[in-house]
Amino acid sequence: GDSVTQMEGPVTLSEEAFLTINCTYTATGYPSLFWYVQYPGEGLQLLLKATKADDKGSNKGFEATYRKETTSFHLEKGSVQVSDSAVYFCALSENSGAGSYQLTFGKGTKLSVIP
Amino acid sequence: DAGITQSPRHKVTETGTPVTLRCHQTENHRYMYWYRQDPGHGLRLIHYSYGVKDTDKGEVSDGYSVSRSKTEDFLLTLESATSSQTSVYFCAISRGRDEKLFFGSGTQLSVL
Repeated sequence: GDSVTQMEGPVTLSEEAFLTINCTYTATGYPSLFWYVQYPGEGLQLLLKATKADDKGSNKGFEATYRKETTSFHLEKGSVQVSDSAVYFCALSENSGAGSYQLTFGKGTKLSVIP
Repeated sequence: DAGITQSPRHKVTETGTPVTLRCHQTENHRYMYWYRQDPGHGLRLIHYSYGVKDTDKGEVSDGYSVSRSKTEDFLLTLESATSSQTSVYFCAISRGRDEKLFFGSGTQLSVL
């Protein structure tokens, strides 16, 4: 079945450091890929998405490129801020038939940014 | 914020009792989902719905049932709660396949 593997955390960075959170996936077809972010005490929010190979999703300074050849969707940000401290989830969606689809999440990577 | 309300926000119950969690949306979105979030497991899909009375199982559906009798409400029932079902439960909605998910604020359930 479909699966998403992302780097284990926690990740601790100093403010203005470069961030990479690795994500690779296994899917039978052509999934859409997502990054969600969860701030403390809240539900998840979509950060960015890409729906086909070579698409780049971007939002709030974060970027991720859909790489079909390496089945990857790594999240990057050039300069993190304390406010970026959160848990980040990589996810994919694929059609599961009958007009429906499922979203499969990675286990999450906790990011802490210190001043 | 998307109009998603989960109730209750917190619940403590005893092993063996039935529990129902409610998700209510005001967005008229077709798809609704129940996830559970546990340390070391991320989010795992329990059940989802792609229309009124159209539901299907997710990855961890054992011990759970759902019902969707109208577009706006999606109920999750733990038929006989067990301690392994202690978790944070999130409801989510979306318009369609490649549309983003909007999440509720979660329900913290403790089964003693």
